[in-house]
Amino acid sequence: QLQLQESGPGLVKPSETLSLICTVSGGSISNSRYYWGWIRQPPGKGLEWIATIYYSGSTYYNPSLKNRVTISEDTSKNQFSLKLKSVTAADTAVYYCARAGYDILIGYFSAYFDYWGQGTLVTVSS
Amino acid sequence: QSVLTQPPSVSGAPGQRVTISCTGSSSNIGAGYDVHWYQHLPGTAPKLLIYGNSNRPSGVPDRFSGSKSGTSASLAITGLQAEDEADYYCQSYDYRLRRVFGGGTKLTVL
Repeated sequence: QLQLQESGPGLVKPSETLSLICTVSGGSISNSRYYWGWIRQPPGKGLEWIATIYYSGSTYYNPSLKNRVTISEDTSKNQFSLKLKSVTAADTAVYYCARAGYDILIGYFSAYFDYWGQGTLVTVSS
Repeated sequence: QSVLTQPPSVSGAPGQRVTISCTGSSSNIGAGYDVHWYQHLPGTAPKLLIYGNSNRPSGVPDRFSGSKSGTSASLAITGLQAEDEADYYCQSYDYRLRRVFGGGTKLTVL
């Protein structure tokens, strides 16, 4: 059974960099059938896609966050990570990592998140 | 303001049928991109309910169904149960904004 687990600091100071790691078990992030991504949910608000990475190293970012965010992978540890720099209170949210399946005939555009981690709350505050 | 528009809330009595709409535009749903639906209970991980507009992952009851037409999509839930009370989100692809979610709909079972 595939499992994803987010880890990282629960409190980050304004202007600093938020760093999270997603550890995947029960499956390989090098599997070409899947993408891997980060999604967040600010308190009282809806879900927001942040970034996605493919096993080849291709990365995709939310345009509204692109200048501040980096997604990367460590296949030797079966992990992928998120870095969000220059954070403000608006970045306070529950951060989820997830696996994205897709229709082979359609490709990346059809991706949907079929397995999710439990989420980790990150608060930006001094 | 979400790119995909959902009603903030819907409600229904046990056993009834409810639908949740997801309205997009020509840059996302109207461009032919697939719509997916998630169920989210507070404090838990979101659960994939429908993918590729109308497909159910294994384990999802057939009480849940999805459809798409033009620039909109819908999630229908029949035989409403108390355990269906949750937040529901649609998701698609937008050629300007990449991957997008709807604002979410809170389903209340009366």
